[in-house]
Amino acid sequence: DAKTTQPTSMDCAEGRAANLPCNHSTISGNEYVYWYRQIHSQGPQYIIHGLKNNETNEMASLIITEDRKSSTLILPHATLRDTAVYYCIVRLYGNKLVFGAGTILRVKS
Amino acid sequence: DSGVTQTPKHLITATGQRVTLRCSPRSGDLSVYWYQQSLDQGLQFLIQYYNGEERAKGNILERFSAQQFPDLHSELNLSSLELGDSALYFCASSVGGGAGPGNTIYFGEGSWLTVV
Repeated sequence: DAKTTQPTSMDCAEGRAANLPCNHSTISGNEYVYWYRQIHSQGPQYIIHGLKNNETNEMASLIITEDRKSSTLILPHATLRDTAVYYCIVRLYGNKLVFGAGTILRVKS
Repeated sequence: DSGVTQTPKHLITATGQRVTLRCSPRSGDLSVYWYQQSLDQGLQFLIQYYNGEERAKGNILERFSAQQFPDLHSELNLSSLELGDSALYFCASSVGGGAGPGNTIYFGEGSWLTVV
């Protein structure tokens, strides 16, 4: 599975959009981009995933660049409860998810 | 609530002992995954089962073993426990055994294991 690079940490003001970047320059054509988050030792929570097109669900939006070498997870109106570690994962038919260090997002009031 | 159930939630045991962690996957899911999360290692994939058969193996120690039963629940057995085995153990499940839009992996809330 392709490797991903994420910033170690980010801060966001409550009520503002949180934009979390991820680089995956070695992604192959049939690899998906998945995002999960982990709130303080709880189980990782699925957020969203995509292949080529931008995706949106009730939690977030995922913007994937045309060359698919990077993506951005957008939390449109961050709340204090969104403070968590966010993981960007590229996944092929290798059934497992390989977690990196992720981005620590701190939402501040 | 992801639908993945893990028991026990907390467990304290002594070095050298053996414990069994149990996982019930989401209804209809055939794949079960086990992960270990310790403070210094992050989330590490241990092993995956698909419909009772081992599908993929990660950094699982020889002292650890797992199985998936015909009713699809899974157990992770940890033996000859050492202090360094203290960690959060997560179970996850998915419908199938490969990647793709219909195969999102959902995690349970974990089992805290403390070895003293």
